[in-house]
Amino acid sequence: EILLTQSPATLSLSPGERATLSCRASQSVRGYLAWYQQKPGQAPILLMYDTSKRATGIPARFSGSGSGTDFTLTISSLEPKDFAVYYCQQGLTFGGGTKVEI
Amino acid sequence: QVQLRESGPGLVKPSETLSLTCVVSGYSMNSAYYWGWIRQPPGKGLEWIGTIYHTGSTFYNPSLKSRITISLDMSKSQFSLELTSVTAADTAVYYCAKTRVAVQPLEPFDVWGQGTMVTVSS
Repeated sequence: EILLTQSPATLSLSPGERATLSCRASQSVRGYLAWYQQKPGQAPILLMYDTSKRATGIPARFSGSGSGTDFTLTISSLEPKDFAVYYCQQGLTFGGGTKVEI
Repeated sequence: QVQLRESGPGLVKPSETLSLTCVVSGYSMNSAYYWGWIRQPPGKGLEWIGTIYHTGSTFYNPSLKSRITISLDMSKSQFSLELTSVTAADTAVYYCAKTRVAVQPLEPFDVWGQGTMVTVSS
């Protein structure tokens, strides 16, 4: 079973700054990695799939990259509505999440 | 536009069976997607439970496989989750969701229900 480790656990930034979130897999996942955003009391929203493809309606400030075991979600310029918890997923495994806070 | 809504009891006694239903609206379940369940214990991360295809074929998380059944009733546009022998560790928000595509049962989920909180307690 693949394990996904997200880092950092918490990222403290200000609006307008760049956010870089990491997801490391215990073995190669061949690029099939997804990212979700979750706000308190809400269901997750799919941001990225297949590592670097934005889901429908997701703005261009969100981008994904990586291969093999190391993947990154980048938010180029944080907006106030981007402060949330972000999860990576590969198959039936989710990472533990990164909280992006002000 | 596809919408999903979970329903079921909010409180289940230990050792009993948790039963939830997800009603699908705005889309015919005859088409090619996987329909799944995910849960999230309070204050914790997401756990993938399983998916079902419109043909009825299922794929379960090995860690839960012995206790779960996911079934489909296309005539009612709904699918269901049963989790047996529950303990306090099964207390969570349970989400139903639809996969983005149906290439394989572990695809990412692009449409989610609002979630329903289930507490296991006597």
